Formats: sequence, structure tokens, C-alpha cells
Amino acid sequence: DSGVTQTPKHLITATGQRVTLRCSPRSGDLSVYWYQQSLDQGLQFLIQYYNGEERAKGNILERFSAQQFPDLHSELNLSSLELGDSALYFCASSERPSGSGFTDTQYFGPGTRLTVL
Amino acid sequence: GIQVEQSPPDLILQEGANSTLRCNFSDSVNNLQWFHQNPWGQLINLFYIPSGTKQNGRLSATTVATERYSLLYISSSQTTDSGVYFCAVGGYNFNKFYFGSGTKLNVKP
Repeated sequence: DSGVTQTPKHLITATGQRVTLRCSPRSGDLSVYWYQQSLDQGLQFLIQYYNGEERAKGNILERFSAQQFPDLHSELNLSSLELGDSALYFCASSERPSGSGFTDTQYFGPGTRLTVL
Repeated sequence: GIQVEQSPPDLILQEGANSTLRCNFSDSVNNLQWFHQNPWGQLINLFYIPSGTKQNGRLSATTVATERYSLLYISSSQTTDSGVYFCAVGGYNFNKFYFGSGTKLNVKP
């Protein structure tokens, strides 16, 4: 158990809908990262937050947004869902960023499996 | 961005055998991690190793940063080692974290 929690574990929804994925980092970790794992694109970095502020942005679509709250939990919002958004979404956390923001060990949650029908 | 190449893409071993997985990367990095994704999808951190050598039980890893590669050694493999092994890197000049496509390991009893 990494100490990172994600809810829900599974989510089935329809095209055009909006969903929210939730992540709670390990106790003491200030950085949260979101990743998407799909069969055709592999594991891709989406976005990083540190202590409530956006720190780095990866291949995140404009239909997707995220935020980190004062209690350090984070939410990833996916809207206008398409079939191609079906994937496993991981959250990871680390104690702190430094330099480029990725010089710390990242611990991954169990993931949320999103199925868009 | 940084290109991360892992080899071999697939590996089948008999229980008890040893193996070496390789990760090549295209630019200087200040973060390199090895992960194991088990058959249930969980990503487990194995090593944080931007340079040098580390060992943890039957697993060890070496990163030669100047030559831009890292190796993961698995000794006396067990069926529970099956899954996909990912290498991921973060670079000085790139504000992202890049994953390789993984090595899929199948250890047979």
C-alpha cells in the first residue's frame, strides 16, 4: 500500500458526460501528479500540483482540468467525454518538487479505471 | 521531450532464472525511477536511481547517467515478478515525467 488513495476505483459513463476523479496524497506529501494510461498511448503525464499551485503541465486536453485543495487532496475533472478517454487514471504524490519538479520519488495510487460507452 | 526506450519489450523466464532489463534515454536526467505494474494494474515503485547503483533483495539497479542508460537486474525470478516493468525519467530542461513503453515479464513455474 503506497498510502495514496484514489476514488472511485471504477467508473462507467457515457459519451458527453463529465466525471470527477479524486486523489488523496500520502501524509506529508505536498506534490500531486496525474497520469493517464491507455492501450494506444501508454503512460502519459497530465499535470502536477505543489501545495495548491499548478507546477507543470503535460499532455492534458483542454476538456480536462485539475486542482489541489488546501487539505492537499486533488481532483481531476474530465468533461465532454469521448470513447478515447477510456483509460486508467493514476494519481501519484511526492514529498516536494525541486528543480524541474520531478526530482523526488513518486508513489502511485491504485488508479481509477474509466470506461466511456 | 526525452525519448525513453526499454528493451526487451517481452521476456519469458523460467522460475529461478536471472534477467536484465534496459532503459535508454535521450537527454540528461535528474530523476529516474523503475516501476513494476502487477497484473492487477498497481504501479509499485522499485527504485529512485538517477545515478549509481542500488539493491533491494533480489532486485538491483544501475544508472550510468553519462551514458544515458539504466539497467534493472532481477535474480532468482519468481512468478510474482510477472508484470510490466517501466522506466520513467525527468529531465533538467523538461518539466515533465516520461515513461518508456515497458518490458512485459512472464515468469513461468
